[in-house]
Parts: sequence; structure tokens; C-alpha cells
Amino acid sequence: DIVMTQSPDSLAVSLGERATINCKSSQSVLYSSNNKNYLAWYQQKPGQPPKVLIYWASTREFGVPDRFSGSGSGTDFTLTISSLQAEDVAVYYCQQYYSTPYTFGQGTKLEIK
Amino acid sequence: QVLLQESGPGLVKPSETLSLTCTVSGGSISSYYWSWIRQPPGKGLEWIGYIYYSGSTNYNPSLKSRLTISVDTSKNQFSLTLSSVTAADTAVYYCVRDQSSYCSGGGCSVGPYYFDYWGQGTLVTVSS
Repeated sequence: DIVMTQSPDSLAVSLGERATINCKSSQSVLYSSNNKNYLAWYQQKPGQPPKVLIYWASTREFGVPDRFSGSGSGTDFTLTISSLQAEDVAVYYCQQYYSTPYTFGQGTKLEIK
Repeated sequence: QVLLQESGPGLVKPSETLSLTCTVSGGSISSYYWSWIRQPPGKGLEWIGYIYYSGSTNYNPSLKSRLTISVDTSKNQFSLTLSSVTAADTAVYYCVRDQSSYCSGGGCSVGPYYFDYWGQGTLVTVSS
């Protein structure tokens, strides 16, 4: 199984400031035949199902604000929120869909400082 | 807008079988992969397995011996059965659509890929 490890486990950021969440996979999720990273980011607010924010490591889902961005390749990835808004308080998960069993990171809880 | 709705008992006794159904509305179940994902209270996400509308499946090895996922395209539904449950199976169970194609200049490829539509989830508690 591919192990996904996120850092930090929790993060407190002031409104309007940048938030950065890291995700590392135990093996590369870059598929050489199409040069795509099989990595997605999800946001989960309390009492709600997760919602996809980013897929292919850096493609923003339709309707997701452009303050959310994804970067990285191979085994190291980053989710960045450029200017934190109050509605961004949530738990964020990375997930690999390179191989089954699909696996998620343990989650990063983002709060307002 | 694709909507997914889980249904089934919220309480299951230890050693019995957990059965859930997901009804898909606002779109066809055809041409997509469909997954079950669970989340124990206060914990992270675990992929259980997926089924293609044609009936082919892929299960998490950690659950494979107890798991069956099936599809009924005539009802636009897919289902989960998990046998011999224990307290460790207590979780919110989500039914989810896998984004099943992506297209680039060279054409389109069939997935499954990331999870784009989620049900609201249903809490299943295993307790006597």
C-alpha cells in the first residue's frame, strides 16, 4: 500500500495569511506514460462529506476559489491557501489514486489563529 | 447535479452483516466507477472498494474476505455488504462517484480517478 503522510497534523493561521499543508507519499504517484500525478486534495467541514478541491496534483475543481492551489510531483505535494478565509476552517486530506488500495493522508486540521 | 444517497440500518449487531445501498440520481450509473469509503468517528478516511457499472470490482485487501459490492443498473443503485462485523467497523459510510475519464489532446482515458461526488454519509454503529 502507498502510505500518505501529511504535515502538520494541525495548523492555526491568521485570516488573510497563507496556509501551507504538505503531503508525502511512500512511493511516486507520477504515472510516466501520461506525466500525471495521481494525487487529489479534499476539504471536509464538520458534519459534511469531503469535497474535492484539487486533482492531478494541481488542477482546481470547477467552482473552487483560486486562493486554493496545489503543487508538487512524484512523492512530495503541497496544498496552499493564499489568503485564509473564515470558511476555510476544515480538515484537509490528500489522497493517491495511483494504485489500489487508494489511500488518504491522516488529515490536517486548519484553524484560525 | 449528481446526488448520491446511502440507505440501510444504523445499528448492526456484532458478527452480523452490514448492508447498505446507494441510490444515484441526477445522472446515470453507467460509464462510471463507484466507491464506498468509510470514516470512523473522529478519524480519517478509508477506501473500502469500487465497482464499475459493468460489475467488475476492486476491494481493499484489508476487507476483501468479508466484502461484496454489487450494482443494479436498472435501479441506478449500488450496494455494500460487509459480513462478520465488529466494533471496529463502526463508521460513517459514504458512497462516492469516481471520476472515470479524463481527456487530453491525445484522446480520452478511462479511470477510476479521484472522487468527485459524495453522498452525505450514514453512520453505522456495531453494537449489541
